[in-house]
Amino acid sequence: SQTIHQWPATLVQPVGSPLSLECTVEGTSNPNLYWYRQAAGRGLQLLFYSVGIGQISSEVPQNLSASRPQDRQFILSSKKLLLSDSGFYLCAWSHGSSYEQYFGPGTRLTVT
Amino acid sequence: KNEVEQSPQNLTAQEGEFITINCSYSVGISALHWLQQHPGGGIVSLFMLSSGKKKHGRLIATINIQEKHSSLHITASHPRDSAVYICAVLTSGNTPLVFGKGTRLSVIA
Repeated sequence: SQTIHQWPATLVQPVGSPLSLECTVEGTSNPNLYWYRQAAGRGLQLLFYSVGIGQISSEVPQNLSASRPQDRQFILSSKKLLLSDSGFYLCAWSHGSSYEQYFGPGTRLTVT
Repeated sequence: KNEVEQSPQNLTAQEGEFITINCSYSVGISALHWLQQHPGGGIVSLFMLSSGKKKHGRLIATINIQEKHSSLHITASHPRDSAVYICAVLTSGNTPLVFGKGTRLSVIA
């Protein structure tokens, strides 16, 4: 069966520090991968999605970036965090043309 | 205007009540998801539907493609149903979901 992992589960970082959040999927190959963010009091927002290794689409311009170094690995990064980067980050995957998306457990990021 | 609108934003109900959460969308879709987000943040997919009606336990989801509207019903509500319920639509197979802002449900014993 397929599983999706995210780490860390929680993170407290100072403003201006770097960020690296990791998402990995097991039990499938060539998944579509997504990073979403939920800021406090707001709905889920798509940040990046990827349909293959090295293929990243950005939905919202900001100081975050994403990379997909391996088929089942999706990384969200920042060189310098802003207070506004605080939120709950969710990774999700889907397969091919399937309509079903599966969510990871999420990472709660607090920038202080 | 958001492509996916949910109502109500907040809902408080007494245990046992029948609950309805509504979702309207303005784009053509391939499928619609109902998601449940618990206080810890984790998201669970409740339903994915593209037509008609689905039922799982006390939860029922319906969709009217012509009217671009979906409803999520909870029968015999219970405090453990307290969560944020999110409607999300998919415009094609491998594109990202477009989310509504969610409905926060509190069920009081």
